[in-house]
Amino acid sequence: GQQLNQSPQSMFIQEGEDVSMNCTSSSIFNTWLWYKQDPGEGPVLLIALYKAGELTSNGRLTAQFGITRKDSFLNISASIPSDVGIYFCAGGGTGRRALTFGSGTRLQVQP
Amino acid sequence: NAGVTQTPKFQVLKTGQSMTLQCAQDMNHEYMSWYRQDPGMGLRLIHYSVGAGITDQGEVPNGYNVSRSTTEDFPLRLLSAAPSQTSVYFCASSFLPTGRDSPLHFGNGTRLTVT
Repeated sequence: GQQLNQSPQSMFIQEGEDVSMNCTSSSIFNTWLWYKQDPGEGPVLLIALYKAGELTSNGRLTAQFGITRKDSFLNISASIPSDVGIYFCAGGGTGRRALTFGSGTRLQVQP
Repeated sequence: NAGVTQTPKFQVLKTGQSMTLQCAQDMNHEYMSWYRQDPGMGLRLIHYSVGAGITDQGEVPNGYNVSRSTTEDFPLRLLSAAPSQTSVYFCASSFLPTGRDSPLHFGNGTRLTVT
């Protein structure tokens, strides 16, 4: 099946640091999504991107849809302890009947 | 605001037992899906449905059955549980499979252990 390569697999940072993670694919997607999963809960949508080159922010989060439509990145600025969790990228779009998820980036923030 | 409700939250089964994981949504979503989450492997699609009476296989369908008799409910059945099915299972729903302004809403998961 299709795969999204998400990196890094895990990060351990100090509070206040900026974080960057990315996803790449061999396939083109028309939609890129970023989800966050808190411990013991289901993933929750953070940012949705629908256009190649699009740069979208949601508070301290910024995500970009790569111009080749085969990649996306997520940045978190000035991290805080509640940013802890697993972040997933997902690709989808017209003609696809399901999202394809990356393997996740586990983020830990040291206060 | 119930959203997507999954039951049970935890389950332990012996090899060979059968069980049904329940999923219900109250958002009138046409699209529903089941994922399993395993360490280092992200979320893998098991089965999905684009509407009542319509189901299809995802990436890892073997060992699981689904049905969609109503818009609200999408149960996942394990006919003969195996240790390889130990995982966390998530149900998710949306208006469209991957469309604009149609985010996928997830339940809080069912943690299944097969011994």
